[in-house]
Amino acid sequence: DGGITQSPKYLFRKEGQNVTLSCEQNLNHDAMYWYRQDPGQGLRLIYYSQIVNDFQKGDIAEGYSVSREKKESFPLTVTSAQKNPTAFYLCASSPDTGVYEQYFGPGTRLTVT
Amino acid sequence: AQSVAQPEDQVNVAEGNPLTVKCTYSVSGNPYLFWYVQYPNRGLQFLLKYITGDNLVKGSYGFEAEFNKSQTSFHLKKPSALVSDSALYFCAVRAWAGGFKTIFGAGTRLFVKA
Repeated sequence: DGGITQSPKYLFRKEGQNVTLSCEQNLNHDAMYWYRQDPGQGLRLIYYSQIVNDFQKGDIAEGYSVSREKKESFPLTVTSAQKNPTAFYLCASSPDTGVYEQYFGPGTRLTVT
Repeated sequence: AQSVAQPEDQVNVAEGNPLTVKCTYSVSGNPYLFWYVQYPNRGLQFLLKYITGDNLVKGSYGFEAEFNKSQTSFHLKKPSALVSDSALYFCAVRAWAGGFKTIFGAGTRLFVKA
């Protein structure tokens, strides 16, 4: 998991509350990504950022928001508008958005009840 | 549309036997193919990639994969499986679709029995 940290590892929230997941990288990578992982569905892209102060929606952006104010940080907010937020969330980075492999953080498991 | 298929939800193999985890893809341009491994409650770790050149790619932990353009496949292989290889394996393709996009397969769970 080296170089990318996500916190917390486990997060519990009540329905209707917004929650922010942290992602920090010290790899000097330009590109960062947020994925959602559900059993049997692989990874689905929520948002990605190619550079500071710029980000793009992925395939399942509804109910989520992000910011990229610093190169090292790409926090994800799960809003109350997200209908089914309980999932495992993975942050990743790569040198840029070209044909590079992605480096993943250890993940945050969010449970909303 | 670009897609990745991992036709097996689970693969079982005895320790010491060769293993294969299958992956097929569909892209409109040149495919850039990756394998990742995930251990329980952890992030994904990169194993190997095919960008261009030799069709046989060698990666971490003794894994290799063979790119087959005619069969649009990129199967992951290891000559001798270890119990510690038991994990969830993801194939991914990165292709141009108005920007590079990575599509992950649904994953294949590998069980290696001692």
